[in-house]
Amino acid sequence: RKEVEQDPGPFNVPEGATVAFNCTYSNSASQSFFWYRQDCRKEPKLLMSVYSSGNEDGRFTAQLNRASQYISLLIRDSKLSDSATYLCVVNPGSPDGNEKLTFGTGTRLTIIP
Amino acid sequence: GAVVSQHPSRVICKSGTSVKIECRSLDFQATTMFWYRQFPKQSLMLMATSNEGSKATYEQGVEKDKFLINHASLTLSTLTVTSAHPEDSSFYICSARDWTGGATNTEAFFGQGTRLTVV
Repeated sequence: RKEVEQDPGPFNVPEGATVAFNCTYSNSASQSFFWYRQDCRKEPKLLMSVYSSGNEDGRFTAQLNRASQYISLLIRDSKLSDSATYLCVVNPGSPDGNEKLTFGTGTRLTIIP
Repeated sequence: GAVVSQHPSRVICKSGTSVKIECRSLDFQATTMFWYRQFPKQSLMLMATSNEGSKATYEQGVEKDKFLINHASLTLSTLTVTSAHPEDSSFYICSARDWTGGATNTEAFFGQGTRLTVV
């Protein structure tokens, strides 16, 4: 089983629609979680951290379910500019404190006009 | 905010030559930096953890003699791809986290990436 698993998509969604991504992780001791966005041929950039209580930033909502070991990202009122690959990122909490991050393969989203 | 700068952004080299990629933290000190490789339509794969003043820690399957890492200062790590071959062609990205504030879920900042093409 992969450490972090995502549906690679692609998701082709009409502008204005709501889209949701899920991600599962295998290490129950994982400590922190993130969603990153990566545009084509660019470096990843942080979209939002994911907290146990769930968190919202504008049109984006992230949730964490530790019992089921999954993370979700919801995008409401999608815009053309939301087209990108969304990476689920987990910090497994390595004992040496290096804080390595483990990346999912990413979910490709295309917003259609 | 914290910025990580990486260069070159693109390099084309002949098979058998070596290529050096630099990664700098511009406004914070990074005792640890991470080097990733990303093949087309695949995820970022951690290659190694660069530790300032000590040897890098390589992930399983990554040849340390082929991918030389030097982290001589708190703001600079370099990755040298030695004797490059076409299969080494990939997108190489460095990353660092600014722990100055002590937060446990501090954002990882990425360099702009280096697209290496070996011909």
